[in-house]
Amino acid sequence: ELKVEQNPLFLSMQEGKNYTIYCNYSTTSDRLYWYRQDPGKSLESLFVLLSNGAVKQEGRLMASLDTKARLSTLHITAAVHDLSATYFCAVDIGGNQFYFGTGTSLTVIP
Amino acid sequence: DTAVSQTPKYLVTQMGNDKSIKCEQNLGHDTMYWYKQDSKKFLKIMFSYNNKELIINETVPNRFSPKSPDKAHLNLHINSLELGDSAVYFCASRRGTGQGRWGKQFFGPGTRLTVL
Repeated sequence: ELKVEQNPLFLSMQEGKNYTIYCNYSTTSDRLYWYRQDPGKSLESLFVLLSNGAVKQEGRLMASLDTKARLSTLHITAAVHDLSATYFCAVDIGGNQFYFGTGTSLTVIP
Repeated sequence: DTAVSQTPKYLVTQMGNDKSIKCEQNLGHDTMYWYKQDSKKFLKIMFSYNNKELIINETVPNRFSPKSPDKAHLNLHINSLELGDSAVYFCASRRGTGQGRWGKQFFGPGTRLTVL
């Protein structure tokens, strides 16, 4: 069975600090997505990574994909309170099948 | 101008009832999806559907069935509701074909289903 694991599951960090969320998956795929979910809200697409070595950046967030290691990272630079949310990675295995990671709940403390 | 909309937003019902959740997208997308998010926030794909193919996650009970009257709509019917069906259900869509076929999904606001 395909597994998509994120770590950490919970992350509390101070404003201004840097940190990385990891997404490991157990099958071959070169398409991976990152989403953000605010409490009680829907999911918002952050990044689409479509090849090995892909790197995307927006604001304080940067995502990368290493398909050989089956690993994606979401790096947070100089965190601010507005980044507090739950972040999900999702692996696309083709045929319109997606498998989501366990989610990382991020809290940024002033 | 909501891109992906769902109704109702909240649904409270008794065990054994049959209910439906509606989803509409105005993005002109080819492919639509249903997801279930449980109380621990775990997200699971239930169905993906375009005008050619329905893909069903094999773990989804056959009490759940998607119905698509047209490309812009994918409704979810649930028969004989059980307590374990309580969750938030999200509809999503994406282009699914051509150059956009690997693009991002757009999610609806979710329907919180509570089975008593």
